[in-house]
Amino acid sequence: EVQLLESGGGLVQPGGSLRLSCADSGLSFSTYAMNWVRQAPGKGLEWVSVIRGRDGTAYYADSVKGRFTISRDKSKNTLYLQMNSLRTEDTAVYYCARDPCGNGLCHYWYFDLWGRGTLVTVSS
Amino acid sequence: QSALTQPASVSGSPGQSITISCTGTNNDVGNYNLVSWYQHHPGKAPKLIIYEVIKRPSGVSNRFSGSKSGNTASLTISGLQTEDEADYYCCSYAGSFTWVLFGGGTKLTVL
Repeated sequence: EVQLLESGGGLVQPGGSLRLSCADSGLSFSTYAMNWVRQAPGKGLEWVSVIRGRDGTAYYADSVKGRFTISRDKSKNTLYLQMNSLRTEDTAVYYCARDPCGNGLCHYWYFDLWGRGTLVTVSS
Repeated sequence: QSALTQPASVSGSPGQSITISCTGTNNDVGNYNLVSWYQHHPGKAPKLIIYEVIKRPSGVSNRFSGSKSGNTASLTISGLQTEDEADYYCCSYAGSFTWVLFGGGTKLTVL
């Protein structure tokens, strides 16, 4: 059974940086588009970013554009989210989620596999 | 762009049916048949229950169904069961530059 496992969350001061990781247990990140989605405390889900499997093309939500960078290491089957210039409003549980379009270059724009999330707290 | 609009809460008794609405605009819900729905029990991974407006993933109960009319999508759960108690989120593709929008979530209580 394919599973996603996020890690790297923690407490960071405003203006600081953090790198999240998402490891799979069997699927190839070069095949699927992978996403980050977050949920702030008491709030709904918010899409953050996506990276295409084959060519690494990435898209971002306006709220994180210029501060966050999504990437993946195919050799390690690991997805990353580098978060810089963190703000208190970035406090959230961050989930990685798979888009099941499987040719490495497409998007179905829904998410069929999710991890359980990692908590990021931005506070002084 | 603003999130899609969902009611904050709905409730029903076991065996009843409920419907959760998800209202967007003609830039997202109304323009694409790319609405999906997720069930989320707090502390667990969200679960896909409907994709492309009306399709159900393998293994998801046929008690869950989706529909769309204009800028509003809907999720109907029939034959409510206690394990259906969870948060439900709609999601829509929103075109280039915005990409993906989620609803604010609806808490379902099974009384």
